[in-house]
Amino acid sequence: KAGVTQTPRYLIKTRGQQVTLSCSPISGHRSVSWYQQTPGQGLQFLFEYFSETQRNKGNFPGRFSGRQFSNSRSEMNVSTLELGDSALYLCASSPTSQRGYNEQFFGPGTRLTVL
Amino acid sequence: AQSVSQHNHHVILSEAASLELGCNYSYGGTVNLFWYVQYPGQHLQLLLKYFSGDPLVKGIKGFEAEFIKSKFSFNLRKPSVQWSDTAEYFCAVNTGGFKTIFGAGTRLFVKA
Repeated sequence: KAGVTQTPRYLIKTRGQQVTLSCSPISGHRSVSWYQQTPGQGLQFLFEYFSETQRNKGNFPGRFSGRQFSNSRSEMNVSTLELGDSALYLCASSPTSQRGYNEQFFGPGTRLTVL
Repeated sequence: AQSVSQHNHHVILSEAASLELGCNYSYGGTVNLFWYVQYPGQHLQLLLKYFSGDPLVKGIKGFEAEFIKSKFSFNLRKPSVQWSDTAEYFCAVNTGGFKTIFGAGTRLFVKA
């Protein structure tokens, strides 16, 4: 099976711009989670989607949003970029779960740099 | 709020030394626990997981972890590290909801 893919892999934006990141989960996985990874902070949970519904959301401002499509592919959007948004954004997919504790399979991430 | 604490941010060991990485979480209910590893230039991948049963779980590459409920801990161990174990290790906790909380990570450097 192909792994989780994320596009683009690298992105450079300037403050005030917006960005859209894409994630394709492993075939058959319907749960997709997004994380922000920064040095010293580990992975900060952004949100989780299952069957096009957001089931949980982390403590990020409303500038961070996401969605999931019927084929389980997911996008996240960051509007009005700030310097502090520079990070590695990771997508993880998980097998179908009603109990929410399955292991996650991570993509390579999108490295976002905000200038 | 739920949180995960990893005590050591950086660890340096020589090959063949024993490893123990600490992980504590703050949640009083049922938890599901994970250790993930990120090798240089590679994706995060699962090292081992605990859902229920035997609190001593074994993972890939000779790693094991012990869940001690009374101490809210899930420490990672390996009796003899190799240079190839150089990586960043993350402890993670899921409390049954659709959200997994990760620790800040521990960078392990193994000297050959």
